[in-house]
Amino acid sequence: KAGVTQTPRYLIKTRGQQVTLSCSPISGHRSVSWYQQTPGQGLQFLFEYFSETQRNKGNFPGRFSGRQFSNSRSEMNVSTLELGDSALYLCASSLPGGGTGELFFGEGSRLTVL
Amino acid sequence: GENVEQHPSTLSVQEGDSAVIKCTYSDSASNYFPWYKQELGKGPQLIIDIRSNVGEKKDQRIAVTLNKTAKHFSLHITETQPEDSAVYFCAASTTGTYKYIFGTGTRLKVLA
Repeated sequence: KAGVTQTPRYLIKTRGQQVTLSCSPISGHRSVSWYQQTPGQGLQFLFEYFSETQRNKGNFPGRFSGRQFSNSRSEMNVSTLELGDSALYLCASSLPGGGTGELFFGEGSRLTVL
Repeated sequence: GENVEQHPSTLSVQEGDSAVIKCTYSDSASNYFPWYKQELGKGPQLIIDIRSNVGEKKDQRIAVTLNKTAKHFSLHITETQPEDSAVYFCAASTTGTYKYIFGTGTRLKVLA
């Protein structure tokens, strides 16, 4: 069974640009979450999607957005990039339910903003 | 706001010794507490979890304890091995919120 696939794995952007990251969940998983990982901050929740609907959003500025498609694949977008957006962006999928249960993480997309 | 504090940030133990990582959560509504292990270059992977109606759970060399009154939960690894070296994250979640609040991580080094 294939795991969570994130693309691209690495990317370098400059300030002011925008970026789109993609996530393909495990087959049959309909919930997709996104987290930002930075040194010293751990994992910070960005948003969660289920059946193309955002069910919760973390405390990030509006420059961070996401969406989910009918096949459960998800994308997140960051516009007007800032140096502080440099981080590992992790996508996780899970089975639907009450919102608790195992998250299956991808290997992440490492974004560097210059 | 919701917060999970994790200590220590780094931990070095001799192979065969035990390791303990502690977390404290702030939201009394939290009812699910997973622990994740992240190896270099990989995404975090669930190693054990506990729900609020249980005080302790064990899986071979790994155990987790939960004290709801004090809002504390801990990870215990016995008979540590070099392959236990990784970064460990605790997290807390509440049914219906669809999000996890993670601690800042503990880098565990097991010295051979």
